[in-house]
Amino acid sequence: KDQVFQPSTVASSEGAVVEIFCNHSVSNAYNFFWYLHFPGCAPRLLVKGSKPSQQGRYNMTYERFSSSLLILQVREADAAVYYCACNTDKLIFGTGTRLQVFP
Amino acid sequence: DGGITQSPKYLFRKEGQNVTLSCEQNLNHDAMYWYRQDPGQGLRLIYYSQIVNDFQKGDIAEGYSVSREKKESFPLTVTSAQKNPTAFYLCASSDRRNTEAFFGQGTRLTVV
Repeated sequence: KDQVFQPSTVASSEGAVVEIFCNHSVSNAYNFFWYLHFPGCAPRLLVKGSKPSQQGRYNMTYERFSSSLLILQVREADAAVYYCACNTDKLIFGTGTRLQVFP
Repeated sequence: DGGITQSPKYLFRKEGQNVTLSCEQNLNHDAMYWYRQDPGQGLRLIYYSQIVNDFQKGDIAEGYSVSREKKESFPLTVTSAQKNPTAFYLCASSDRRNTEAFFGQGTRLTVV
């Protein structure tokens, strides 16, 4: 079954670099997408692609079947759910990683 | 402004009633999706459509139905057969190559 895997929770101290890992079992998927989701709102795309990329404080690493989202200088306001996804004939999302940020 | 619109934002229904959630997009996207989110859980795919007049079941399609009569619209009906319909529902759209999904603001359905 095509699936995307990510940890359920990641915790970090404020100001640190936090890494959220993702891997998938989708044979014909080549792109990763990382979304930020605050409950009750629309998920927002942070970074995407089939190679390492950066958008502001968000870095994405890339391997064929895995990717990490790195958030630089993490803040309490970054506490949310982060989704990893890949695309085939449809977008396949992971179950989301809840980021906890401690002062 | 281009975007994807879900309505209403909050919806209350009595148990046993069917209810239809609206999703409209003016992004000229071919693909549209419905996801369900429950507290503490991720996005689960209900149905998706890649082209007008065609749609496929996702992982949790039981108790739901959809139609795709127009490119811009992908309404979701929550039927009385859905055992636990209270949830937050998100609609999304993307181009044919699924290069990025754009999400609506969501509809929170509460069945009492």
